[in-house]
Amino acid sequence: DSGVTQTPKHLITATGQRVTLRCSPRSGDLSVYWYQQSLDQGLQFLIQYYNGEERAKGNILERFSAQQFPDLHSELNLSSLELGDSALYFCASSVDGSYTDTQYFGPGTRLTVL
Amino acid sequence: DQQVKQNSPSLSVQEGRISILNCDYTNSMFDYFLWYKKYPAEGPTFLISISSIKDKNEDGRFTVFLNKSAKHLSLHIVPSQPGDSAVYFCAASFGNEKLTFGTGTRLTIIP
Repeated sequence: DSGVTQTPKHLITATGQRVTLRCSPRSGDLSVYWYQQSLDQGLQFLIQYYNGEERAKGNILERFSAQQFPDLHSELNLSSLELGDSALYFCASSVDGSYTDTQYFGPGTRLTVL
Repeated sequence: DQQVKQNSPSLSVQEGRISILNCDYTNSMFDYFLWYKKYPAEGPTFLISISSIKDKNEDGRFTVFLNKSAKHLSLHIVPSQPGDSAVYFCAASFGNEKLTFGTGTRLTIIP
């Protein structure tokens, strides 16, 4: 158990809908990262937050947005969902968000868009 | 553009033998490399890392080798155990850049 929690575990929805994925980092970690893993692909970095502020942005679509709240939990919002958004979404956390800081991953949320 | 490549999608190794997982990268700016291990229905777990100032780092049964001139990274597991069966991802980064992951190699240890 990494100490990072993600809810829900599974999500099935229809095209055009909007969903919110939630992540609680390990106790004491200030930085949160979001990744997308599509079928047979590596993890694609989406976005990083540090202590409530956006720190780095990857290949995140404009239909996707995220935020980190004062209690340090984070939410990833996916809107106008398309079939291609079906994937595993992982959240990770680290202590200070530096690039050599170990990232601890949650179990992921499996999103299926029908 | 796949900057970190794991060209072997799968690998089978006899229990007790050495497992060697390979990773190639194209971006010469990368200076920090990691291996993660992933079991089904779980998130990736950090295994071992190496900075570009080193060419080898060991942690128990796991050793990572870095060949900067060849832009090649490898993970050696000795001896391989059934619990090592998992998907292994290599990843690389530099500066304040994001982690770039490979597509993974599924390792199966045969008892």
